[in-house]
Amino acid sequence: KQEVTQIPAALSVPEGENLVLNCSFTDSAIYNLQWFRQDPGKGLTSLLLIQSSQREQTSGRLNASLDKSSGRSTLYIAASQPGDSATYLCAVRRISWGKLQFGAGTQVVVTP
Amino acid sequence: AAGVIQSPRHLIKEKRETATLKCYPIPRHDTVYWYQQGPGQDPQFLISFYEKMQSDKGSIPDRFSAQQFSDYHSELNMSSLELGDSALYFCASSSLEPSGISEQFFGPGTRLTVL
Repeated sequence: KQEVTQIPAALSVPEGENLVLNCSFTDSAIYNLQWFRQDPGKGLTSLLLIQSSQREQTSGRLNASLDKSSGRSTLYIAASQPGDSATYLCAVRRISWGKLQFGAGTQVVVTP
Repeated sequence: AAGVIQSPRHLIKEKRETATLKCYPIPRHDTVYWYQQGPGQDPQFLISFYEKMQSDKGSIPDRFSAQQFSDYHSELNMSSLELGDSALYFCASSSLEPSGISEQFFGPGTRLTVL
């Protein structure tokens, strides 16, 4: 049974620092992995999607890496801003038509 | 670009009442998923449909049922509501693109409050 873990559960950094968020999964047989952002009480905003055959994806200040064999993904956010404060969730998918299994998320606070 | 539409956005019900949540997937998407997110929790998969047939089932209570219609929209019916059903309910849709990539796109969610 797939288990997705995100460490740390919460993170507070001063503005300008780089953020490193970790996601681990127990079953390496995944189809893809998605990183989401969620503001309190709001919906899920997809940030990056990494296919199992890829090693990393980049979008602006965001970079996500994937090491499928070790069951790990890392989301890097460069030069953090107060607007980056949110909960970040990773989710894995075993097959192309399958469900997403989410981690519990990392709550990020960026202080001015 | 068209996104996933959910209605209503907010719903308040009393215990033991019934609720119906609707989801309109992105045009040409053939798969719909329902997730439930309780307060302070991560989204949990409930059920999915592919081409109007149930394709997978998660931790969905027997009091809940869902279907996908011929126009691909989906409805989640919830009966005998309990306080613990209060949550955000997300619908997502996807299709397998010619590139071989399939991504789930989420709707804004329906916030259900059971009093």
